[in-house]
Order: sequence, then structure tokens, then C-alpha cells
Amino acid sequence: DIQMTQSPSSMSVSLGDRVTITCRASQDIGNYLSWYQQKPEKSPKLMIYGATNLEDGVPSRFSGSRSGSDYSLTINSLESEDTGIYFCLQHKQYPYTFGAGTKLELK
Amino acid sequence: QVQLKETGPGLVQPTQTLSITCTVSGFSLTSYYMQWVRQTPGKGLEWMGFIRSGGSTEYNSEFKSRLSISRDTSKNQVFLKMNSLKTEDTGVYYCARAVGRGGFAYWGQGTLVTVSS
Repeated sequence: DIQMTQSPSSMSVSLGDRVTITCRASQDIGNYLSWYQQKPEKSPKLMIYGATNLEDGVPSRFSGSRSGSDYSLTINSLESEDTGIYFCLQHKQYPYTFGAGTKLELK
Repeated sequence: QVQLKETGPGLVQPTQTLSITCTVSGFSLTSYYMQWVRQTPGKGLEWMGFIRSGGSTEYNSEFKSRLSISRDTSKNQVFLKMNSLKTEDTGVYYCARAVGRGGFAYWGQGTLVTVSS
């Protein structure tokens, strides 16, 4: 199975901060990588697909990038509504696998 | 608009079988793959499997021996059945719809399943 190693597991951040979350894939997944935001008691929400593409309706302060087997989600100028848990998902190979999640909290 | 809603039993006894229904609207099951994902305290988010638009299935080998996914297109419903439940299967079970551009764009609200005697 492809392992998605996500870091950090949690971050305490301030409004206006630039935040970067990373997932490292244990095998080649190309750009079959998506990012999700989950609020408490809610379903995950697709934020980024194809590693770098912003889902419709997602604020432009969110972006995705790739460097080799490292995939990053960046939030420029964090807003209070951006708190929650972020997950990556690889859907290149069965079984699809998620990262363990990054919990984003305000200081 | 696209909607998905899971309905499940809430509480299931260990060794018993779990049955969850995902009822969809706003699209046809014959046009999209439907996924099942669960979220447990022990393992976080886990992809369980899917049923293709044509009706064939793919399962995570982690569950393959005890998991079954099926559908009734006339009722716009997708079904998950998993037997031999253990306490570690306690969690929230989601159905989700993939999109051609990649990723799971639509999710149900999830149904909490507690495995306990």
C-alpha cells in the first residue's frame, strides 16, 4: 500500500500567517492527490484536486503544489474560518490512502 | 443539486453485520463511481471501496473478506454491508462521489456506527 506521511500533525497559528502542510508519498502517485478540510462534526470538503487545482468555490488563498513525492497545501494569510483538520488523499493506486491529518488551531 | 445521505443502524453488536444505505439525488448512479470511506478513532480516514458506474466493485483488501458494496439504481441507493464487526469498526461511515477531475467532491453527512454489546 502507498503510505502518505503527513506533517505536521498539528499547528498553532495566527491570523494572517502563511501555513504549509505536506504529504509525502511512499511511491509514485503522479498528480493523483487531493486535499480536504474537515470541520468538527462535518464531512470532509474537497479543497484541491490533481495536486495543484483549486476546487470551485475554495478561496484563492489556498494553493497546492508538488515537488517530487512531496505534496503541499499552502494557505496564504490565514483566516479564522480556515481552522480545522486537513487531510491528503492519494487515488493513484488501490487501496486509496489518506494522510493522518493536520489539525490547524489558532493561537 | 447533488445530495448524498447515509442511513445506518447506530448500534451494532460485535460479530454482527453492518448495513448502511446511501441515498443519492441530483445525479445518476450509472454515471459515477460511488465510494465508501470511514473514519475511526484508531485509524483515521480509511477508503473502504467503491462501486463503478457500470456496477463492478473494488475493495480495500483490509476489508475485502467481510465487505460488500452493491446498489439499486432504480432507488438511487448504494449499500454497504460488512460482517464480523469488531469494536475497532466503531466510527463514522461516509459515502462519497468522485469526480472526473479527481478527488471526492461530494460527501454524505456520515452515519455514526458504534460496535458494542
